[in-house]
Amino acid sequence: EADIYQTPRYLVIGTGKKITLECSQTMGHDKMYWYQQDPGMELHLIHYSYGVNSTEKGDLSSESTVSRIRTEHFPLTLESARPSHTSQYLCASDPCTGMVRCEQYFGPGTRLTVT
Amino acid sequence: GENVEQHPSTLSVQEGDSAVIKCTYSDSASNYFPWYKQELGKRPQLIIDIRSNVGEKKDQRIAVTLNKTAKHFSLHITETQPEDSAVYFCAASYNNDMRFGAGTRLTVKP
Repeated sequence: EADIYQTPRYLVIGTGKKITLECSQTMGHDKMYWYQQDPGMELHLIHYSYGVNSTEKGDLSSESTVSRIRTEHFPLTLESARPSHTSQYLCASDPCTGMVRCEQYFGPGTRLTVT
Repeated sequence: GENVEQHPSTLSVQEGDSAVIKCTYSDSASNYFPWYKQELGKRPQLIIDIRSNVGEKKDQRIAVTLNKTAKHFSLHITETQPEDSAVYFCAASYNNDMRFGAGTRLTVKP
């Protein structure tokens, strides 16, 4: 089924650990995004990608990095997790290159807690 | 870059009443304005959108209006029901560069 998947769904880790949040989509979308969102609050764009080998920083500096080696895969890495990174991380994608009307499809999210 | 402001941040209405959420944007080049609904614990999903060449669009109980001159657009929900309770996000986009508003938490009291 065409969808966007995130793993893990929940993660509790200690301060200083390196973690990678996985995001995969099976819709063949070129553009992908990572948002940070405290539950029910504002969506903060932290990274996005126009396609393979393209990565851009968003509005929020979260001390994270991303890579886009394959169209369907857009992992987010925190080199050294801190309690301030505790939040929900939403991955999204869209097929909208050159289109005006465009829907972003969101994944189910990863709820991260850093102790 | 584009800046989208959304008001109110919280809204509580009685079941059956109407709800209106307003957004303003800064970039006059923006030409696409979607609205997303995020229910508790779920992912945001597109509920309605409007392009800049249209002033109003309606889909059953929800409608969106756009005033390009004033650079503002609004979401209208009529005959609200408890299942309309959620966080609603507006967004403005130009050339596929989309920016979201801060969200409105709508509560519909039965």
